[in-house]
Amino acid sequence: GQNIDQPTEMTATEGAIVQINCTYQTSGFNGLFWYQQHAGEAPTFLSYNVLDGLEEKGRFSSFLSRSKGYSYLLLKELQMKDSASYLCAVMDSNYQLIWGAGTKLIIKP
Amino acid sequence: TAGITQAPTSQILAAGRSMTLRCTQDMRHNAMYWYRQDLGLGLRLIHYSNTAGTTGKGEVPDGYSVSRANTDDFPLTLASAVPSQTSVYFCASSDSPGGRFNEQFFGPGTRLTVL
Repeated sequence: GQNIDQPTEMTATEGAIVQINCTYQTSGFNGLFWYQQHAGEAPTFLSYNVLDGLEEKGRFSSFLSRSKGYSYLLLKELQMKDSASYLCAVMDSNYQLIWGAGTKLIIKP
Repeated sequence: TAGITQAPTSQILAAGRSMTLRCTQDMRHNAMYWYRQDLGLGLRLIHYSNTAGTTGKGEVPDGYSVSRANTDDFPLTLASAVPSQTSVYFCASSDSPGGRFNEQFFGPGTRLTVL
């Protein structure tokens, strides 16, 4: 079966760095996406990885290891507005997205 | 720019009744999707359409139907609602079904309660 695992909840301090992990087992792999979802709102796109390595975009970076079925999202210089759920999704062999349940990130002052 | 709109924002529906959730995009995207999101679970794909005139079944299609008569609109119909269909429904679109261009843009969601 297809499976995406990520921690249910994480807590971090404003100004700090946090890493949210995602492991996956899917039928085929055509890329991995990270989305941000604030409470009561729609998900919005953060990053896309299809090759191994680190993709950096401002305060956010995403890493992929296809051989390990593993990705992480790194958030630096945390701000209160980063409090949200972070969703990991893998595009399978049919080009459909398989979604993790999301990691709720709580930022404390 | 509107992007993707959904209607209604929320709805309470009696079990056994039918309902159509509306979704319209103005980005001329080829692919459109319907998901449901339930607490503790990831987004689950109900139906999708890779291009106007075609539709496909996702992970949880039972009890739902869709149509794609044109590029912009992708309505989702519940023929006879049941309480297990209580959920938040998101419509999404992407330029193409694959690759980097499968970045999906989401509508604001419809919160549906079936009693």
